[in-house]
Parts: sequence; structure tokens; C-alpha cells
Amino acid sequence: AQTVTQSQPEMSVQEAETVTLSCTYDTSESDYYLFWYKQPPSRQMILVIRQEAYKQQNATENRFSVNFQKAAKSFSLKISDSQLGDAAMYFCAYTGDTGNQFYFGTGTSLTVIP
Amino acid sequence: EAGVAQSPRYKIIEKRQSVAFWCNPISGHATLYWYQQILGQGPKLLIQFQNNGVVDDSQLPKDRFSAERLKGVDSTLKIQPAKLEDSAVYLCASSDVRGQGRNEQYFGPGTRLTVT
Repeated sequence: AQTVTQSQPEMSVQEAETVTLSCTYDTSESDYYLFWYKQPPSRQMILVIRQEAYKQQNATENRFSVNFQKAAKSFSLKISDSQLGDAAMYFCAYTGDTGNQFYFGTGTSLTVIP
Repeated sequence: EAGVAQSPRYKIIEKRQSVAFWCNPISGHATLYWYQQILGQGPKLLIQFQNNGVVDDSQLPKDRFSAERLKGVDSTLKIQPAKLEDSAVYLCASSDVRGQGRNEQYFGPGTRLTVT
């Protein structure tokens, strides 16, 4: 069975600094997708960034980038130039190639210190 | 574009009572998901529909939970009878079926259920 592990329940970062959130996963599939979702205190989950496993190039979306290590089954999220609005729960998620069965990690609560 | 709508936003019931949640996905989204998010945990997928057919319900406690998606649009999730451990936020999400696994899921605001 696929599992997603986030080993950092809480992280904090100074405003304008860089922080990295960790995620590891377990799968026997070769094609799959990985996601980072953000859940602010209002609880509406939104997509931050996604990575296709068949792509070697790490995904980037403005201040957000990932370090995808397929062999190590690691998928970390780097937030550069952290802003107060980045404070939220961040969830790592996995789904297979067909999109059936979707697995979330337990989340990392990010605090941004002014 | 209107987002995913859910109602009610909050619900308090006593154990052994029944409760139903409603979800209206983004127009045109064929795939609809129901998640259970217990406080301090990540969302757990309960059931996934594609149009009005069930794709995955392996983690749905079928002795007490049921869900339907008539006409492939709106969906309802029912719990009957509720237990204390069902206290959670129930999230609905939808996505476009084209592109399959790579598709972004759009989430609703959730329904917070408290069972006393």
C-alpha cells in the first residue's frame, strides 16, 4: 500500500527566509504524481505545486520549488522569501497514474515569524 | 468560476443519530472525492466518484457510511448511526477527469461534524 510520511509536525521560519518541508513516500508504481497542498486556517485546501514522477526536472512555481528524489522516494518543498501569508498546514500527497486512490501525509504546520 | 460548495458548514449531533452532507462540485468536473479529516491528521479519502460511478471506496466504513452521486453532479455523504469517532471535518473535492492523476483537486470549505 502507498504511504506518505511527513516527519515534521511543526516548522517555523523568519519572514523573507527560506524553509524546506520534508516528505517521503512508499510505492511500487513507476508512474505517479506528487503534490503539495496548503491549508490555511480557513480550511480551504489549495494546490501549491505538483510533480510528475516521469519528469526528472524539479517543479517550480514562483517562490515554491520541490526537490524530487525518485530513487530515495523523497519529495521536499522549498519556500523561498517566506511571507506571512505562507503560514498554514502543508500536506504532501500522492496519487497513481490513473488518479485512483489519493493519499495525504499528516501535515506540517508552518509558522512565519515577522 | 464558482468553487466547490458544501453544506452545512457545521453540524452537531448526538451519537447514534444520522447526518447527511451535501456537495456541489465545480461545473464540468467529472471526478468527485469525499475526505474525512480528523483533527491533527491529513485528509483520508473515503470515496471517489467518476461521473455517477464509484472508482474507489476501499476506506469507506460501509456499515455506517454511504454516499451517492445521482446524475453525476451533486453528491451526498450520509452517516447512520454516528459514533463519537466520526467527529471530523468532511471535505469534498472535485477535479477534471481529463489528465487523470495529474489533475488538481479543488476543495470545498468542509463540514465540521461534532458527535457528542
